[in-house]
Amino acid sequence: AQSVSQHNHHVILSEAASLELGCNYSYGGTVNLFWYVQYPGQHLQLLLKYFSGDPLVKGIKGFEAEFIKSKFSFNLRKPSVQWSDTAEYFCAVNELGTYKYIFGTGTRLKVLA
Amino acid sequence: NAGVTQTPKFQVLKTGQSMTLQCAQDMNHEYMSWYRQDPGMGLRLIHYSVGAGITDQGEVPNGYNVSRSTTEDFPLRLLSAAPSQTSVYFCASSLQNSPLHFGNGTRLTVT
Repeated sequence: AQSVSQHNHHVILSEAASLELGCNYSYGGTVNLFWYVQYPGQHLQLLLKYFSGDPLVKGIKGFEAEFIKSKFSFNLRKPSVQWSDTAEYFCAVNELGTYKYIFGTGTRLKVLA
Repeated sequence: NAGVTQTPKFQVLKTGQSMTLQCAQDMNHEYMSWYRQDPGMGLRLIHYSVGAGITDQGEVPNGYNVSRSTTEDFPLRLLSAAPSQTSVYFCASSLQNSPLHFGNGTRLTVT
């Protein structure tokens, strides 16, 4: 069965530290990849997406993610986090040509001021 | 352009009561879906629809019904609420091969 794994469930960082959140998926076909962010008490918002082309994609608020096809990974990075990045982050996979979306279980990030 | 609108924002039910969570979108998206979010479990798909008159079950459909009479609306019905249905519910919509757009969520407590 297809699945999305986010290995870090909770991450605590100090401001200005670098961030990398892991995301691996199991699916043999072509996929679209997404990272969503959920700030406390809010709904999920799109952070960035990968459909095709350059495997390094840039999103909002200084986030970027790299698609490594051979590793079935789509890790999220930010060079220097801010207190306002405190949120839960979800990786999601969509089978190309379908409406099927599979989400990881999320990573809670807390940034200490 | 309001996006995805969910009502109500909060709801408390007693066990056995029924209710409908409303979801509407104004983006002409063919795909609409309902998720529940529980701590440590991420988002789990309840039901989804790829167009008016077409619905299908997701990962956790038991205890929930849906219908899609129009492109815009996709209500979720709880026929007989149970404490296990205490959760945060999100409606989402999209076009094919596009990101999901989420509503603001409904926090449901069943006592």
